[in-house]
Amino acid sequence: QKEVEQNSGPLSVPEGAIASLNCTYSDRGSQSFFWYRQYSGKSPELIMFIYSNGDKEDGRFTAQLNKASQYVSLLIRDSQPSDSATYLCAAYESGYSTLTFGKGTMLLVSP
Amino acid sequence: KAGVTQTPRYLIKTRGQQVTLSCSPISGHRSVSWYQQTPGQGLQFLFEYFSETQRNKGNFPGRFSGRQFSNSRSEMNVSTLELGDSALYLCASSFGTGDGNTIYFGEGSWLTVV
Repeated sequence: QKEVEQNSGPLSVPEGAIASLNCTYSDRGSQSFFWYRQYSGKSPELIMFIYSNGDKEDGRFTAQLNKASQYVSLLIRDSQPSDSATYLCAAYESGYSTLTFGKGTMLLVSP
Repeated sequence: KAGVTQTPRYLIKTRGQQVTLSCSPISGHRSVSWYQQTPGQGLQFLFEYFSETQRNKGNFPGRFSGRQFSNSRSEMNVSTLELGDSALYLCASSFGTGDGNTIYFGEGSWLTVV
């Protein structure tokens, strides 16, 4: 069974710090990895996705992928209180056109 | 550019009834997927449609069904509702299905079964 594991948190960081969110996956067939942010009572909002080993940067966000270790991470630089949300990691397998989600990590950024 | 549109946003149904949820994907997107989100199980895949064909189905009972129309709009139906079907139902759309395709979610339909 395909699994995506995330620490449920909460991960607490002060404003301006770097938040590091981690995710591991079990299925080596997974090819792309997505990070979504979900505020309470709202739907998931796409932050970014990555499918090549290494780093991918978009503004304050950097996704890192290590396929050999089956590990994905999301770094948020200069964290803001508005970043407080649940962050969902998802593995995508194009052959099945499905996203397998982790349970999410709650991030709390204190002013 | 309009996003993924789901209707209705909120609904309350009684056990045993059926419900139909609708999803209009982003213009030009041909793949539509449905997910169920509950506090206990998180986000779980229901099914995926591409060009009116269901290509993959998650581990849900046959009471859950769906379809896609020629304009890529999709509907899902849940028959004989149970209390455990109370959840946020999310539709996701993407242009294609290969790597590199961004997948966007709609705002969801909140279903409460009483």
